[in-house]
Amino acid sequence: QVQLQESGPGLVKPSETLSLTCSVSGASISSLIYYWGWIRQPPGKGLEWIGSIHYSGSTYYNPSLKSRVTISADTSKNHFSLNVSSVTAADTAVYYCVRVVVGLKWLRLLNWFDPWGQGTLVTVSS
Amino acid sequence: NFMLTQPHSVSESPGKTVTISCTRSSGSIASNYVQWYQQRPGSSPTTVIYEDNQRPSGVPDRFSGSIDSSSNSASLTISGLKTEDEADYYCQSYDSSNQVFGGGTKLTVL
Repeated sequence: QVQLQESGPGLVKPSETLSLTCSVSGASISSLIYYWGWIRQPPGKGLEWIGSIHYSGSTYYNPSLKSRVTISADTSKNHFSLNVSSVTAADTAVYYCVRVVVGLKWLRLLNWFDPWGQGTLVTVSS
Repeated sequence: NFMLTQPHSVSESPGKTVTISCTRSSGSIASNYVQWYQQRPGSSPTTVIYEDNQRPSGVPDRFSGSIDSSSNSASLTISGLKTEDEADYYCQSYDSSNQVFGGGTKLTVL
């Protein structure tokens, strides 16, 4: 059974960098057929995709966050990480890590998230 | 880019059937697959429908999904409603290296 677990500081100061790590068990992030990603949810609001990475290093990011976001993967530790720079209160959210199922089926792209980590709340405040 | 629009909330009685819509703003709903996630209060989202109409193992067959090209929308239908179905539901699709979620629908089972 694949399990993902987020870890990192729960409080970050404005203008600093938010850093989180997702540890994966029950699967290798070096899998050819999966990407690994981050999604966030501000308190009381909906879901926002942040970005995804393949173990090969291929990444793609939400255009609205791209200038501040970096996702990296460490296959030796079987984990991947998220950095969000220059944070503001608007970055306060529960951050989830996810496995991304990707492929092409009947000429249609499939790209969806399963499973999800339990999530970790990151608050941006001085 | 495109948006996915869902009703903010729906409510129905136990035992009844409810349908939640997800309308794509531009481009064809059929261009890429649509997924639906259930999020109960205080929990992470879980997949209830993937690839338009497929149910993961463990999801009861009371849950079904479909897409309709004429209305450019996807739908999640839950029949035989149970109080445990009360949750937020999000649709999701993908296009041009960008993932898009609907705004979410709060389902209340009265």
